[in-house]
Amino acid sequence: NAGVTQTPKFRILKIGQSMTLQCTQDMNHNYMYWYRQDPGMGLKLIYYSVGAGITDKGEVPNGYNVSRSTTEDFPLRLELAAPSQTSVYFCASSYRGELFFGEGSRLTVL
Amino acid sequence: KNEVEQSPQNLTAQEGEFITINCSYSVGISALHWLQQHPGGGIVSLFMLSSGKKKHGRLIATINIQEKHSSLHITASHPRDSAVYICAVPKASGSRLTFGEGTQLTVNP
Repeated sequence: NAGVTQTPKFRILKIGQSMTLQCTQDMNHNYMYWYRQDPGMGLKLIYYSVGAGITDKGEVPNGYNVSRSTTEDFPLRLELAAPSQTSVYFCASSYRGELFFGEGSRLTVL
Repeated sequence: KNEVEQSPQNLTAQEGEFITINCSYSVGISALHWLQQHPGGGIVSLFMLSSGKKKHGRLIATINIQEKHSSLHITASHPRDSAVYICAVPKASGSRLTFGEGTQLTVNP
């Protein structure tokens, strides 16, 4: 199993650009999450999904959108990128409470 | 006050020392998670526990539900244990976790 795979690992965006962070997992987990990690801060939940077709907002959803058309994929879309979205983004899945993380995507908005 | 507080924020140890990282939380929980984040960013789940103690190799995690406190111990620490250790607890509303800010551990040879 590849586990949780995120792409890209690094990206630089200009203010106002849009992009999609891809996340896929091959463990057939229903629960998936997107977090952002800012320096010196704990992980903050952006969006989560409890299964295909179901998504819900987390703590910091503004400026982001998600979709969950399949169990495997949970992409995160940034519309109109802003400097405040400069962060490291982690996708995760869980099964029976145990967490599995992707390797992270470092995004810089200039 | 944060719902999840870790201490210390930073910890430097010599190889071979016994390490303790603490986590206190204010919400009621069903289980607590300990995670490890290595330089370069990858996050790995170490433990999920709801009572008592769990051991994996040189790592031991304990939890006291009544006192809302958990500890992560590392015996015979090694430079490869250098990482950020993160405590996380679920909110009462199910699958959403609240994360501590992490403890940066550096083990010197």
